[in-house]
Amino acid sequence: EAQVTQNPRYLITVTGKKLTVTCSQNMNHEYMSWYRQDPGLGLRQIYYSMNVEVTDKGDVPEGYKVSRKEKRNFPLILESPSPNQTSLYFCAASKRGGSETQYFGPGTRLLVL
Amino acid sequence: GEDVEQSLFLSVREGDSSVINCTYTDSSSTYLYWYKQEPGAGLQLLTYIFSNMDMKQDQRLTVLLNKKDKHLSLRIADTQTGDSAIYFCAEREESGGYQKVTFGTGTKLQVIP
Repeated sequence: EAQVTQNPRYLITVTGKKLTVTCSQNMNHEYMSWYRQDPGLGLRQIYYSMNVEVTDKGDVPEGYKVSRKEKRNFPLILESPSPNQTSLYFCAASKRGGSETQYFGPGTRLLVL
Repeated sequence: GEDVEQSLFLSVREGDSSVINCTYTDSSSTYLYWYKQEPGAGLQLLTYIFSNMDMKQDQRLTVLLNKKDKHLSLRIADTQTGDSAIYFCAEREESGGYQKVTFGTGTKLQVIP
């Protein structure tokens, strides 16, 4: 079964305490993305990766880092979280080209106090 | 990124048709998608349309694309309470291996029994 998993699903943290949200896919897809979802703003892309060791900024990359050392994993790192990063985060994976849809993870709800 | 706009809210009676509208700005979009997000869940692809098509029908769903006006709509026939969710349109552009998907702000559909 095609699957994108994220951990943790829920996280409460404090300002400045580094955290990592993991994302893993079992479909061998090249393309992976991170989005944040905020009320009235829809989904905004944070970072994306077109393949291993290839990452690039999306629309709202400030305050985030990513890495793509292996094809299946694409962790999102918040080095020094701030309250404005409180949001719902989604990881997605897709093949490149064609009509391939993105498969989304279940989401990680983050609260930064 | 490009702006993709949707109205925020739509309320319909069970059994009626729902029409959710979306406007996008990037004329080079290759595919346009409709996703459904149920409460507490990730995004699930409902349907997509290639940019050289005008219409696509899939059971209760009809997608209309007016490329001249950059307008996309999703019609749900015989709307059921299980259709209550947030619906996102998304456009995808590709250029030289680069792939970007931009999401709309989402339309919350409320189905009244």
